[in-house]
Parts: sequence; structure tokens; C-alpha cells
Amino acid sequence: GAVVSQHPSRVICKSGTSVKIECRSLDFQATTMFWYRQFPKQSLMLMATSNEGSKATYEQGVEKDKFLINHASLTLSTLTVTSAHPEDSSFYICSAVKTGGPEQYFGPGTRLTVT
Amino acid sequence: AQKVTQAQTEISVVEKEDVTLDCVYETRDTTYYLFWYKQPPSGELVFLIRRNSFDEQNEISGRYSWNFQKSTSSFNFTITASQVVDSAVYFCALSEPYNTDKLIFGTGTRLQVFP
Repeated sequence: GAVVSQHPSRVICKSGTSVKIECRSLDFQATTMFWYRQFPKQSLMLMATSNEGSKATYEQGVEKDKFLINHASLTLSTLTVTSAHPEDSSFYICSAVKTGGPEQYFGPGTRLTVT
Repeated sequence: AQKVTQAQTEISVVEKEDVTLDCVYETRDTTYYLFWYKQPPSGELVFLIRRNSFDEQNEISGRYSWNFQKSTSSFNFTITASQVVDSAVYFCALSEPYNTDKLIFGTGTRLQVFP
């Protein structure tokens, strides 16, 4: 158990458009999900904490109006990159915490390329 | 401040060699968790181990073993008889104080195992 999926796995979009990435916990409920960003050959940078039924908590330096997070159910969180620019190109990874935690189970990641 | 240091950026070994990946952490909290994750070329992070701060027993799982020493704030990971499939980036992580769901990641160690 403890499988997390992300969709899409890869996406290419044009500058100025918005892209939505879904993160689903397939076989467990997750009150808390996290969104990370990873640049090539670098570590994971936490962007925000997504809590079901409440507003996301963003890390310092992350623009909340640019990276919209919605955690509408105990199995789904979405990250929308609005008005994407080439510098938003990155590998976005979500994770979900099983109730009782603290292990985080990670999704396979979404590679976003903005042209 | 909380911090995780993985001083080894890249390690190359030949198959069947033993290899140790170092992890040193800093925290002012007395209750915390330490983790190791593996990130193969596919990108998906794989959970390897969680250790809480009150349990300093070393752990062995097959070819993997972990040495947790609070006295030196280290949580090192050893792979015995390495295999090509062990090639990946390995991340050590520390839970944040007061919010053990949030993780602080080290910069990762890229391990390459050559046949």
C-alpha cells in the first residue's frame, strides 16, 4: 500500500499558459500533502503544505498567486502553475502523509517544460 | 537552525564494493525523525528507512544498514556488496521540530555503481 500518483508525468506548455498537476493517494487517505520542486541535480525544495479543507501553507519565497494549491479531498491535491514562464520549468514532486504519519510517500513527479 | 549535510556529492564504486553514505544533521529539537530516501533515474523517491531520535539501535535490512549516532549527529547509510541497481541519488532528511510531517532534505549523494 501507500501509492501516490501524479498526473501528468510530463507536460510542455507555452509561456503565459497555466498548467494543473494532480497528486492522488491511491490506497490511503492523506490529510496532508506536500509539494516540492527539484531542479536538475539539486535537492528537493519544499514549496507548500497542502491540508485538506484549508488553505495551503507556502514556504518563504514561494508565490502563492503563482502556484495555486487545492486540496479538495483526502486523496487529491492539485498544483496549478499560473502564467507559466520558462524559469518555472522544473520537476515537481508531491508527497502524501498517511494518517498517523510521519512517513511521506512520494509521487513519481511531473516534469514541466515551459517554452 | 535545522540542517542536513551530505558532504559527498558523488560516489563511484565498482560492483560488490561496500559503500557508506554520510549524513550529518543539526537540530535543536529533542524529538525528531531521520529518513533516507532513494531517487533512481526515473525520479520517484523511494522510502528506505525512518528512525526516531530515541532509537539509536543500528538497523540492517538485507544489504542495507544504518548507523545512527546522536553523539555525532550522524545517520550514515551503508550498502554492502553494491549492485548496479543501487545507482541512484540518495537523500537524507530530518523532520522539522513541532511538525514532524515536514522534512528538511540534504543535498543528496549520487551513487554510481559500475559493473
